[in-house]
Amino acid sequence: QVQLVQSGAEVKKPGASVKVSCKVSGYTLTELSMHWVRQAPGKGLEWMGGFDPEDGETIYAQKFQGRVTMTEDTSTDTAYMELSSLRSEDTAVYYCATSHEWELPNWGQGTLVTVSS
Amino acid sequence: QSALTQPASVSGSPGQSITISCTGTSSDVGGYNYVSWYQQHPGKAPKLMIYEVSNRPSGVPDRFSGSKSGNTASLTISGLQAEDEADYYCSSYTSSSTLWVFGGGTKLTVL
Repeated sequence: QVQLVQSGAEVKKPGASVKVSCKVSGYTLTELSMHWVRQAPGKGLEWMGGFDPEDGETIYAQKFQGRVTMTEDTSTDTAYMELSSLRSEDTAVYYCATSHEWELPNWGQGTLVTVSS
Repeated sequence: QSALTQPASVSGSPGQSITISCTGTSSDVGGYNYVSWYQQHPGKAPKLMIYEVSNRPSGVPDRFSGSKSGNTASLTISGLQAEDEADYYCSSYTSSSTLWVFGGGTKLTVL
């Protein structure tokens, strides 16, 4: 069974960057397709990007292109999501999740990122 | 504005049935059988309840069912229970440059 454990809460100033980690256990990262979804306070889920197994590439939602980078360290089975040029609207809980076909059966516990001056 | 349209709220009494709709386009819901539904309790991560329109993962009660007609998918919960009170989100693969879209979410209240 896949388990995803994310890094702890972060507080960042506007303009800074944040890097959230997601440690995989139960499987190796190479066996999985990782995605990132965020949820602003009181708002809905928003897909940020993830690995497209059909193309073998990481695809980013247009809204985040140029500001987000998703990487993986297969030696430690840890995935990372880095978001730059943070603004207050980026305050949200960030989730990692693995896909199977086109659904997300496994989710991390979430990481709260607060952007405040 | 979310790519998929859901009602903001629905409610029902214990034992009753409710249906939550999810309306998209031929580029997402209508074009592919890759609609999934997620349940989210406050402060918790989402949980997959339905995938590929109508399939239930292991462990999800058969009170939960999914269907699709044209560009609209639906989640039906029969025999409502207090623990079903949560937010529900639909999602779909999309042929647009963004692979994945979510609905805006529906708050289910069990009266």
